[in-house]
Amino acid sequence: DAEITQSPRHKITETGRQVTLACHQTWNHNNMFWYRQDLGHGLRLIHYSYGVQDTNKGEVSDGYSVSRSNTEDLPLTLESAASSQTSVYFCASSELTGSIDTQYFGPGTRLTVL
Amino acid sequence: KNQVEQSPQSLIILEGKNCTLQCNYTVSPFSNLRWYKQDTGRGPVSLTIMTFSENTKSNGRYTATLDADTKQSSLHITASQLSDSASYICVVSEGGGGADGLTFGKGTHLIIQP
Repeated sequence: DAEITQSPRHKITETGRQVTLACHQTWNHNNMFWYRQDLGHGLRLIHYSYGVQDTNKGEVSDGYSVSRSNTEDLPLTLESAASSQTSVYFCASSELTGSIDTQYFGPGTRLTVL
Repeated sequence: KNQVEQSPQSLIILEGKNCTLQCNYTVSPFSNLRWYKQDTGRGPVSLTIMTFSENTKSNGRYTATLDADTKQSSLHITASQLSDSASYICVVSEGGGGADGLTFGKGTHLIIQP
């Protein structure tokens, strides 16, 4: 069955280190997204991509970067991790472009920055 | 600024009882509204999606309603089961917007007690 996976599921790192979170989907969806989820906030969009070589900034993109070299993967990199980036990160993908598309979410990565 | 407000923040009901969750939004122009279910430790899963012209959508024991005039939606759960324990997230899409046109509510945390 097609799916979307994230790795690692849990990560502890130190302030200032570079961290990369992986996201892989087997639906062959063009659209992929990264969100963070924190207590007291709804899901917030970090970056998104509508296809290979396409990347766009979301609402909370500062301190994060993504690259899209193939359809299946959209890794999220924290250039220099900060304690404020402690959060649960969700990757999602969708087939259609536009507001009617349904996003399919991965299981999440819990990141702790000490 | 577009906002999605959900109530109550949390709710505890006995197994077998019905409940209704509320979602009020200020997103304009409106395109569609979705309800997601998020089990603890997992990513959100889509339950329903409604466009402007739809005022009711069902998915098994879940029934969503939409009043686009008052900008309100509700999610009714019938004959609750223990597996309904989860957070329920309301998401509203801005007309003409892409991925960055989604506004997520903070969710209602529902606990079903035996």
